[in-house]
Amino acid sequence: ETGVTQTPRHLVMGMTNKKSLKCEQHLGHNAMYWYKQSAKKPLELMFVYNFKEQTENNSVPSRFSPECPNSSHLFLHLHTLQPEDSALYLCASSLLLEGGREQYFGPGTRLTVT
Amino acid sequence: GQQVMQIPQYQHVQEGEDFTTYCNSSTTLSNIQWYKQRPGGHPVFLIQLVKSGEVKKQKRLTFQFGEAKKNSSLHITATQTTDVGTYFCAGRIQGAQKLVFGQGTRLTINP
Repeated sequence: ETGVTQTPRHLVMGMTNKKSLKCEQHLGHNAMYWYKQSAKKPLELMFVYNFKEQTENNSVPSRFSPECPNSSHLFLHLHTLQPEDSALYLCASSLLLEGGREQYFGPGTRLTVT
Repeated sequence: GQQVMQIPQYQHVQEGEDFTTYCNSSTTLSNIQWYKQRPGGHPVFLIQLVKSGEVKKQKRLTFQFGEAKKNSSLHITATQTTDVGTYFCAGRIQGAQKLVFGQGTRLTINP
C-alpha cells in the first residue's frame, strides 16, 4: 500500500535535537491526522487537519508542532522531546472529516528519544 | 476520558478456535469502524457499520453493531495464523466529528 507514505521510518534523536516527520497522501483526501501509538495508549489522536485547517489539538505538548501546507502533506516538527515521547507516530488521512469516512494509515515513524 | 472500551486486551487461542472482541461505548455512536494492525504494521480499515443491529460478514469475520448503537463485536471463526494482530474498533460519537479508537485486542495464535 503506498497511499499514505511517511518519512523517516525510524528516527533516533536526543532531547535537544530538532527534527521533523513527514507524511504525504496520494489519495486525494482532505482530512489528515497525527496519532501517537505506544504500549500504554494504543492509538492517541494528536492533531486533525481538515482542508489544511487544524480542527483539533488533543492537549498535545508544544514540543510537538504540526504543519499542513496543503491537503496532501502533513508535518510534525519535534523539539526538546522527552524519553516518554518515544513511540510510533502514525499519519492517517480520510476523504472527508465528516460522515464516518474510513482512515488510511501510513506505515509510521518509529521514534526513539535518548 | 476513554469513551470507547474494548475487551479483552489480549487473547491467545489455538489455531482453529474462534475469537471474539467486544467494543462498548458510553454514548450512542453514529457509526463504528474496525481496523486490523499486523505485528510491525499499521492499522488497516476492515469495515464500517452504520445501522442499528447491522451484521456484516467478511469470509470468517462477522461484525455486529448493537441495537442501541453503543456496542459492537468482531467474531472470527476458526482462526488461522494469518489472523494474528491487534484489532481496533473506532466509533464516531453522535454529533461529533472525531473518531475514537478503542484500546485494541491483541490476538496471538498457537499453531
